[in-house]
Amino acid sequence: DTGVSQNPRHKITKRGQNVTFRCDPISEHNRLYWYRQTLGQGPEFLTYFQNEAQLEKSRLLSDRFSAERPKGSFSTLEIQRTEQGDSAMYLCASSPETGYHEQYFGPGTRLTVT
Amino acid sequence: AQTVTQSQPEMSVQEAETVTLSCTYDTSENNYYLFWYKQPPSRQMILVIRQEAYKQQNATENRFSVNFQKAAKSFSLKISDSQLGDTAMYFCAFTNFGNEKLTFGTGTRLTIIP
Repeated sequence: DTGVSQNPRHKITKRGQNVTFRCDPISEHNRLYWYRQTLGQGPEFLTYFQNEAQLEKSRLLSDRFSAERPKGSFSTLEIQRTEQGDSAMYLCASSPETGYHEQYFGPGTRLTVT
Repeated sequence: AQTVTQSQPEMSVQEAETVTLSCTYDTSENNYYLFWYKQPPSRQMILVIRQEAYKQQNATENRFSVNFQKAAKSFSLKISDSQLGDTAMYFCAFTNFGNEKLTFGTGTRLTIIP
């Protein structure tokens, strides 16, 4: 069990550029989640996958955001035409299908939009 | 909509003392799970303890225990014999049974003083 990994750990981009983040969940977990955390706040839910199916999306996930999990393994989160308000920590978590809904978090990708 | 409230933005205690962090939540559901997560400085979020709403017995994990008051919708975390490594942000989180997303509070920054 190597835990949830996320890449890159830090990303600095200029406003208007596109960025893509990757999340590798714990191998036997079929559920994968994306959250966004701004300074001094708790994480806010963005979207959730069960295997390759995206089952729920938050209103926070504007049209500029897209997430995929093509083979039910790793996931990518893309932000197009980044804005300064997109600056945040993007957290990925995974959980098994059975159990107590415990989610295991990765270290996050910190995005800074200049 | 479910909400989670943590009314203590910051707390500090001396090493070896006991500290209690407060959390209240609001839901119309009867079956749900509650969690406390710990986020050390610049490190990833880890699960501290969970509580299933249908269980009357309060959960305990070594030095960590909860006081779950379902009628009052209160879920406090007690840390006994506090250690320097307990210094972190602590988030209370909630999820309905059958709903996958976690709803987090705004967190309590806990500092253990040597």
